[in-house]
Amino acid sequence: AQTVTQSQPEMSVQEAETVTLSCTYDTSESDYYLFWYKQPPSRQMILVIRQEAYKQQNATENRFSVNFQKAAKSFSLKISDSQLGDAAMYFCALIQGAQKLVFGQGTRLTINP
Amino acid sequence: DAGVIQSPRHEVTEMGQEVTLRCKPISGHNSLFWYRQTMMRGLELLIYFNNNVPIDDSGMPEDRFSAKMPNASFSTLKIQPSEPRDSAVYFCASSPSKRRGLYNEQFFGPGTRLTVL
Repeated sequence: AQTVTQSQPEMSVQEAETVTLSCTYDTSESDYYLFWYKQPPSRQMILVIRQEAYKQQNATENRFSVNFQKAAKSFSLKISDSQLGDAAMYFCALIQGAQKLVFGQGTRLTINP
Repeated sequence: DAGVIQSPRHEVTEMGQEVTLRCKPISGHNSLFWYRQTMMRGLELLIYFNNNVPIDDSGMPEDRFSAKMPNASFSTLKIQPSEPRDSAVYFCASSPSKRRGLYNEQFFGPGTRLTVL
């Protein structure tokens, strides 16, 4: 069975600083995808970044980047130059084979002005 | 493109009543997913359809829950009878599923917040 674990229920960071959100996962497959989703107070689920497991290069999307450690089954999200609009719940998720997304419990990120 | 549309956005009902949640996927998408989000269990997949056919309903909690997709542009999730523990946010998502074996991004609707009193 696939599992995704986010060990940080809450994180906070000063505006313009950098923050890293942690995620570990477990899967028996070698081919899968990992994602970070953002859920602001509006409840909308927004895809932030994704990583294909077969790619060694870490994905980046503007101020968002990941540190993908396949052997350690770790997938952390780094947000650089944090902005007030980054405040949200962040969910790490895994998918393999069939189209079933498995989500972590989420990390609530607060941005301090 | 209007995105995935869900209705209603909020639903308050009393225990024992039937509840129907509705979803209109993005046009051209042929996979549809129903998720439930609670504080205790987080986000979990209830059921998903490919080309209007239910593929995996192992996440449906019990027989009180049922989902249908009569055509490519409409799906319903029904709870009958509803119970207070069904209170949650229910999300619908759709994806194009054009590439077999590869991931196709799931686009989420705004969710329906259900409260069962």
